[in-house]
Amino acid sequence: EAQVTQNPRYLITVTGKKLTVTCSQNMNHEYMSWYRQDPGLGLRQIYYSMNVEVTDKGDVPEGYKVSRKEKRNFPLILESPSPNQTSLYFCASSFPGGPKNTGELFFGEGSRLTVL
Amino acid sequence: AQTVTQSQPEMSVQEAETVTLSCTYDTSESNYYLFWYKQPPSRQMILVIRQEAYKQQNATENRFSVNFQKAAKSFSLKISDSQLGDTAMYFCAFMKRLFGNEKLTFGTGTRLTIIP
Repeated sequence: EAQVTQNPRYLITVTGKKLTVTCSQNMNHEYMSWYRQDPGLGLRQIYYSMNVEVTDKGDVPEGYKVSRKEKRNFPLILESPSPNQTSLYFCASSFPGGPKNTGELFFGEGSRLTVL
Repeated sequence: AQTVTQSQPEMSVQEAETVTLSCTYDTSESNYYLFWYKQPPSRQMILVIRQEAYKQQNATENRFSVNFQKAAKSFSLKISDSQLGDTAMYFCAFMKRLFGNEKLTFGTGTRLTIIP
């Protein structure tokens, strides 16, 4: 089954304790991206990656890091989480441009993060 | 930069009735996609319908259809014969059509409740 898998789905942590949210896709997509969802703000892009070793900032990158060492994986790293990073996080993937592109992003199921 | 505006934070309608969700956007691009995503209580982001800006014909998917007014930059979603399973948050989203960051710009959402 084609899917984007995120882990953990739920996490409660404390300020300053480093954490990683993993994202893996099995569709051989070149493009992957992270979003955060907050009430009244919709979803906003944090980081994106066009391919292995190619990453760039989205609209709200402060406090986050990413890496893309393998095509299928795109982990989101919070080096020193703070309460304002409490949010619902989504990973998404797609084929960028070209004949396979339909504009559709495939989303993971979301990770609810609470930073105390 | 693109912006997407959903002016109806909440709506409710009786089961089997028709409801229309509003969305306006602002862009200087001529080639783009517009989407409606549904987010039920499970939090999963589900693509409801997609419209390519160069297509004049409005997209339709079963009970879901859009009214795309390119000149007015309006993209409303009509749900016919509404069902209890349509209860969800609905997000309107915009994506530039080019090879690069496949970023979705989201509106703030409309929470739709279908009343039995």
